[in-house]
Amino acid sequence: AQSVTQLDSQVPVFEEAPVELRCNYSSSVSVYLFWYVQYPNQGLQLLLKYLSGSTLVESINGFEAEFNKSQTSFHLRKPSVHISDTAEYFCAVSDKTGANNLFFGTGTRLTVIP
Amino acid sequence: EAQVTQNPRYLITVTGKKLTVTCSQNMNHEYMSWYRQDPGLGLRQIYYSMNVEVTDKGDVPEGYKVSRKEKRNFPLILESPSPNQTSLYFCASSKGGTGRYEQYFGPGTRLTVT
Repeated sequence: AQSVTQLDSQVPVFEEAPVELRCNYSSSVSVYLFWYVQYPNQGLQLLLKYLSGSTLVESINGFEAEFNKSQTSFHLRKPSVHISDTAEYFCAVSDKTGANNLFFGTGTRLTVIP
Repeated sequence: EAQVTQNPRYLITVTGKKLTVTCSQNMNHEYMSWYRQDPGLGLRQIYYSMNVEVTDKGDVPEGYKVSRKEKRNFPLILESPSPNQTSLYFCASSKGGTGRYEQYFGPGTRLTVT
């Protein structure tokens, strides 16, 4: 079975400052890795994903995440955050060999302070 | 517009009164799933469906039922709701049943059981 750990439940950061949201996973099989974002009162949206190939993946709004197999991590980073990035961020994994069942972390609430 | 819809968005009910939360997607997706979101626990999968008439339990199926008679619909049934089922529920769908596909989430249904 897979599990995902997001150690930081809340991350406050000033506007235009960099941010890193941490995600570690454990799995006995190869996995796909995802970051989903949930804006207030909305459902989740895919932010970015790692399936294979380059270990650095990017989103259209400036976020990036790097898959580190040896450290079983998939941390999310952004060099300069905006007010509009305030949201809850979920790291998730799915089993490459099984059904499309996502295992989510407990989420990190990012609050950007003006 | 491609979307996953859920109804109702908000529901307050009493213990033991059967209820159904509907979920519909217009993307011809094979895979559909139900999650519940609770503070500090992230999202946990309740049931999923790989295709019509094919359903299976997720991590927290107790107290819930589902059916998949049509490809587009995947209702969640609570035959005898209890207060511990008070939660935020999300339906999701994806193109395929393997883990590489993005899941599209509905807007959520906030259920309160008194």
